[in-house]
Amino acid sequence: GAVVSQHPSRVICKSGTSVKIECRSLDFQATTMFWYRQFPKKSLMLMATSNEGSKATYEQGVEKDKFLINHASLTLSTLTVTSAHPEDSSFYICSAIDRAWGTYEQYFGPGTRLTVT
Amino acid sequence: EDQVTQSPEALRLQEGESSSLNCSYTVSGLRGLFWYRQDPGKGPEFLFTLYSAGEEKEKERLKATLTKKESFLHITAPKPEDSATYLCAVQARGSQGNLIFGKGTKLSVKP
Repeated sequence: GAVVSQHPSRVICKSGTSVKIECRSLDFQATTMFWYRQFPKKSLMLMATSNEGSKATYEQGVEKDKFLINHASLTLSTLTVTSAHPEDSSFYICSAIDRAWGTYEQYFGPGTRLTVT
Repeated sequence: EDQVTQSPEALRLQEGESSSLNCSYTVSGLRGLFWYRQDPGKGPEFLFTLYSAGEEKEKERLKATLTKKESFLHITAPKPEDSATYLCAVQARGSQGNLIFGKGTKLSVKP
């Protein structure tokens, strides 16, 4: 149980274009999902918290107009990188909390490698 | 400020050589401390959650313990397939559940 998927696993796009990444909880309902970014050999940096049916909460320094987050259902959150630039190239990872058992255990997706050329 | 510090940054072991990874933390009210394993190019894989001092959890060759200031991940008789980066994270009480991560310990186990 507690499986989170991401799509695509890898994406290459040209500078100036937009890219959408999907995060799905496959076997549980996730009222809260998180988006992280990870640079090479660094730990995970929280970008935003996404709650189903409401606006995402962004961490300080994260541009909400550049990283659009939508959490339209209890099993799906999307991250859209708008007008991507090479500095947006990174490993993006989502996670979701399964609250069915009253815990806050967080399960991660496999990540999406974004390369902007 | 909530903070997590992991040590060592890197650890090289021979197969069968047991050791421990350390995670020191400061948090304004701990809801839970999490251990994850991360392989290169993949998302973190959930290992354990510890909620209160004195708690211990085991899974195969791994055992996690928790005190009020730190957590240890003990690896008994490691195998090469245990090689990975081990991440520690804390979750503060009252938060929406976001995790504050340490920088990780990269474990290499040589046959």
